[in-house]
Amino acid sequence: KQEVTQIPAALSVPEGENLVLNCSFTDSAIYNLQWFRQDPGKGLTSLLLIQSSQREQTSGRLNASLDKSSGRSTLYIAASQPGDSATYLCAASGGNEKLTFGTGTRLTIIP
Amino acid sequence: DTGVSQDPRHKITKRGQNVTFRCDPISEHNRLYWYRQTLGQGPEFLTYFQNEAQLEKSRLLSDRFSAERPKGSFSTLEIQRTEQGDSAMYLCASSGALNYGYTFGSGTRLTVV
Repeated sequence: KQEVTQIPAALSVPEGENLVLNCSFTDSAIYNLQWFRQDPGKGLTSLLLIQSSQREQTSGRLNASLDKSSGRSTLYIAASQPGDSATYLCAASGGNEKLTFGTGTRLTIIP
Repeated sequence: DTGVSQDPRHKITKRGQNVTFRCDPISEHNRLYWYRQTLGQGPEFLTYFQNEAQLEKSRLLSDRFSAERPKGSFSTLEIQRTEQGDSAMYLCASSGALNYGYTFGSGTRLTVV
């Protein structure tokens, strides 16, 4: 059974700093790894999708990496802004069509 | 296409009442998923459709829950005889294929009082 862990549960950093969010998963037989953002009381917004054959994906100030052999993914956010404050969730997709989510990292950017 | 739509956004109901939620996926997506999220937790899988066929149901989906996707388009999730433990955010997602990632809707927040 796939288990996904995100550490830390919460993170506060000053505006302008670069930061890394961590995601680990127990079963390396994944189809893809997807990072989402969730604002309080809202749905999920997809940020980046890394397919199993890929090592990383980039979108603007965001870069996500995937290391299947070690069961790890990271989300790097450059030059953080107050608008980046949200909960970030990673989810692993296996061949069973289910996404397994971590519990998220609640990020606060301090102006 | 405006993405995945869910209705209503919020629902407050009394314990014991029935509720129904609707999800309209991205039109070209043949896969549709329902997830449930409680406070401070990640979403948990409930059920999934490929076209009109419901292919898998989680053990979380008790007999009080039923989902349909007539004609492989929109989907409904009904909860009968609601309990306070059903209070959660119900999220719908759609996908065009296994490797293409998932697009989520804004969710329906259910509060059972």
